[in-house]
Amino acid sequence: LAKTTQPISMDSYEGQEVNITCSHNNIATNDYITWYQQFPSQGPRFIIQGYKTKVTNEVASLFIPADRKSSTLSLPRVSLSDTAVYYCLVGDNGSNSGYALNFGKGTSLLVTP
Amino acid sequence: NAGVMQNPRHLVRRRGQEARLRCSPMKGHSHVYWYRQLPEEGLKFMVYLQKENIIDESGMPKERFSAEFPKEGPSILRIQQVVRGDSAAYFCASLRRLNEKLFFGSGTQLSVL
Repeated sequence: LAKTTQPISMDSYEGQEVNITCSHNNIATNDYITWYQQFPSQGPRFIIQGYKTKVTNEVASLFIPADRKSSTLSLPRVSLSDTAVYYCLVGDNGSNSGYALNFGKGTSLLVTP
Repeated sequence: NAGVMQNPRHLVRRRGQEARLRCSPMKGHSHVYWYRQLPEEGLKFMVYLQKENIIDESGMPKERFSAEFPKEGPSILRIQQVVRGDSAAYFCASLRRLNEKLFFGSGTQLSVL
């Protein structure tokens, strides 16, 4: 399973764009890249998923370079309510690489006024 | 369509007692994951089940822990003879198909006295 590396923490002011990068040097051909958000005392919530290039939805964008060895979650114009832990998950939860999907320690984002 | 339901939300047990944690997946989901989370840590994979089958239990301790997902009813994570080190938040997640996003419940906070 691909190991991921993210910054432990990040700080931002309200209204700024936040980019969180995840390194996954040994990503496999069948692996997808998925980002989750977790608030205290709650289960993680899906943000976005991609395989290559760029994916955008109503809350975020995901940029994946051609070699797929890293990915960047972009949160436009963050608000205080975006303060949370963000996890990058890389895997193929199918029989090719096993089903164990582990979340690392994630990136703790603090947004202040 | 109700989300993933976990109960109880909080569970207090004395050392040596049994803990039973329940997880009802979203309607139409036949895949369930269980995770354990310690304070300031990421989520650690424990077990992956499909209806009536344990597919991958590589993250679950060999002793005292067991999981099931019967044909009818919720998935159950059972911890026998609990010890203080079992104190953690336990989350379950369900998904409709492999490689789709995980939907998490709100978790069960287990406290062992």
